Amino acid sequence: DIQMTQSPSFLSASVGDRVTITCRASQGISRYLNWYQQKPGKAPKLLIYAASYLQSGVPSRFSGGGSGTDFTLTISSLQREDFATYFCQQSYSDPQFTFGPGTKVDMK
Amino acid sequence: QVQLVQSGAEVKNPGASVKVSCKASGYSFTSYAIHWVRQAPGQGLECMGWISAGDDYTRYSQKFQGRVTMTTDTSASTAYMELSGLRSEDTAVYFCARRGLGGFTYYDSWGQGTLVTVSS
Repeated sequence: DIQMTQSPSFLSASVGDRVTITCRASQGISRYLNWYQQKPGKAPKLLIYAASYLQSGVPSRFSGGGSGTDFTLTISSLQREDFATYFCQQSYSDPQFTFGPGTKVDMK
Repeated sequence: QVQLVQSGAEVKNPGASVKVSCKASGYSFTSYAIHWVRQAPGQGLECMGWISAGDDYTRYSQKFQGRVTMTTDTSASTAYMELSGLRSEDTAVYFCARRGLGGFTYYDSWGQGTLVTVSS
């Protein structure tokens, strides 16, 4: 199975901060990488697919980059509603589409 | 708008089976695949497999092979996930999710989740 790691696991930030989360795959996955946001008690929400494509309706302050094994999710100016947990997911290895362990973004 | 509505919470004894439903609306059900993802309490997300709603083709993650069955009822625009041989480690919220169209796999709509508790 392809293993996914994320860093950091926890991140404390303030409104207006630029935030970057990193995701690494245990082997090359080209651009088969998605990012989701999850709030407590809710289903995940798709933010970015295919490494850098912004899902319809998602604010442009979210952006994704990378290819191969290393990927980033950047929030250019953190808003109050962005405090949540973020997961990356590789979609390279069907049907074992593994997720990263998550990065919780908390208010500083 | 696209909606996936799942069945309610379940409590099961160890060894039993559970069947979770996922009713779709707002789009052509048979044009998409439905994936199932679970999340144990306080834990991460785990893919279980998927079913193509158009032809019932299925692919199951190795971990669940032999214990999971995914089906659809196209007349009701509903997908089902049945997990057998339940054990305490299967206690989790189970989500259905629609796979978006195109060459990349991603989940563009999700159900609200169904809590399955396995306890004697």
